[in-house]
Amino acid sequence: DTGVSQNPRHKITKRGQNVTFRCDPISEHNRLYWYRQTLGQGPEFLTYFQNEAQLEKSRLLSDRFSAERPKGSFSTLEIQRTEQGDSAMYLCASRRTGAEQYFGPGTRLTVT
Amino acid sequence: ELKVEQNPLFLSMQEGKNYTIYCNYSTTSDRLYWYRQDPGKSLESLFVLLSNGAVKQEGRLMASLDTKARLSTLHITAAVHDLSATYFCAVDYYNTGNQFYFGTGTSLTVIP
Repeated sequence: DTGVSQNPRHKITKRGQNVTFRCDPISEHNRLYWYRQTLGQGPEFLTYFQNEAQLEKSRLLSDRFSAERPKGSFSTLEIQRTEQGDSAMYLCASRRTGAEQYFGPGTRLTVT
Repeated sequence: ELKVEQNPLFLSMQEGKNYTIYCNYSTTSDRLYWYRQDPGKSLESLFVLLSNGAVKQEGRLMASLDTKARLSTLHITAAVHDLSATYFCAVDYYNTGNQFYFGTGTSLTVIP
């Protein structure tokens, strides 16, 4: 296993379109996290899963955002009706309980 | 409100010099992490500090944790150009579902 992977790495979309990102965590990690990072800022927590259960969502996660982890393995993050303010790097991380988080390479979203 | 603050936000230093980056956090936690991020890249784990008084060193970087003061430091010894990056500390708050709260980041530039 080579770490956390994310696809696509870059996504350019027009305002109002829907986009979906995928994250494949390290296989033995039970926890999976999504973050958003804008230029010059630290990552901001969006949501996290323990196995297939979504246990917490940030207030940043509007109703246009939805995340799933259907079998406790990979996860998807969907943004509906994208807005220019959604342009950011979306980072996925995974961890075993109590251990450090390992980050994927990120998906850079540009909404035009 | 949970806060993680770093200072300085920007640091320009000459090769060979020493400097310290500070990370203060607002709520009790005994788990603190340091990450490095290169421009356009994801986050790379540097140190995991799991108890009061923990000190870890890797090359020219040394991190320490004082949970009573809610303070962590990242000390740079004899800086080299390759250390130029943004450094983030992150705190793990159990009461919020083990999500990480990231500091504001310190952008380090080492001048040859």
